[in-house]
Amino acid sequence: DGGITQSPKYLFRKEGQNVTLSCEQNLNHDAMYWYRQDPGQGLRLIYYSQIVNDFQKGDIAEGYSVSREKKESFPLTVTSAQKNPTAFYLCASSVTGRRNTEAFFGQGTRLTVV
Amino acid sequence: AQTVTQSQPEMSVQEAETVTLSCTYDTSESNYYLFWYKQPPSRQMILVIRQEAYKQQNATENRFSVNFQKAAKSFSLKISDSQLGDTAMYFCASLTAYSGAGSYQLTFGKGTKLSVIP
Repeated sequence: DGGITQSPKYLFRKEGQNVTLSCEQNLNHDAMYWYRQDPGQGLRLIYYSQIVNDFQKGDIAEGYSVSREKKESFPLTVTSAQKNPTAFYLCASSVTGRRNTEAFFGQGTRLTVV
Repeated sequence: AQTVTQSQPEMSVQEAETVTLSCTYDTSESNYYLFWYKQPPSRQMILVIRQEAYKQQNATENRFSVNFQKAAKSFSLKISDSQLGDTAMYFCASLTAYSGAGSYQLTFGKGTKLSVIP
């Protein structure tokens, strides 16, 4: 089945450590996105990528980094520079320029700093 | 930059009644798509309905329909015959194509928490 997979579902990190969240899609989508969701809040864009080896900062990119070495994969690294990383992270992908376009989401990763 | 605004943080509706969720957006581009997503307690984002900006006709999906007012940049969601399973966060979103740049950006509103009361 085609879809978008995020792993792990729950992640715990010690303060001062970097951690990487995985996002893989087999939908052949060009565009991929990372969002952060805090309790009672909407989705805030961290980074997005339209094509391989290219990505742009979103509204809250500070303390995060990404790579897009393959079309299928868009991992997000939460660095020690992110002061308040505890949140729910959602990855999405979308097909572009075609009818019936929509964004598909992974099931999310809950990151907790301990 | 595009923005999406949902002015109702929380709403409630009696089971079997109708409720309308509001959304306004701001974009200068001509090619864009609008969506309503539902996020139940499981936190999985589920597409409820989609509207393509170039289409005049309002989209409908069973009990869900939209009122798309392009000139006013308004995109409200109507839920008819509300069911307990409709209880969730609802997010309005726009996917805008930036012509010439070959890029698309997906922007969400802050969401409306809908509670369906038995």
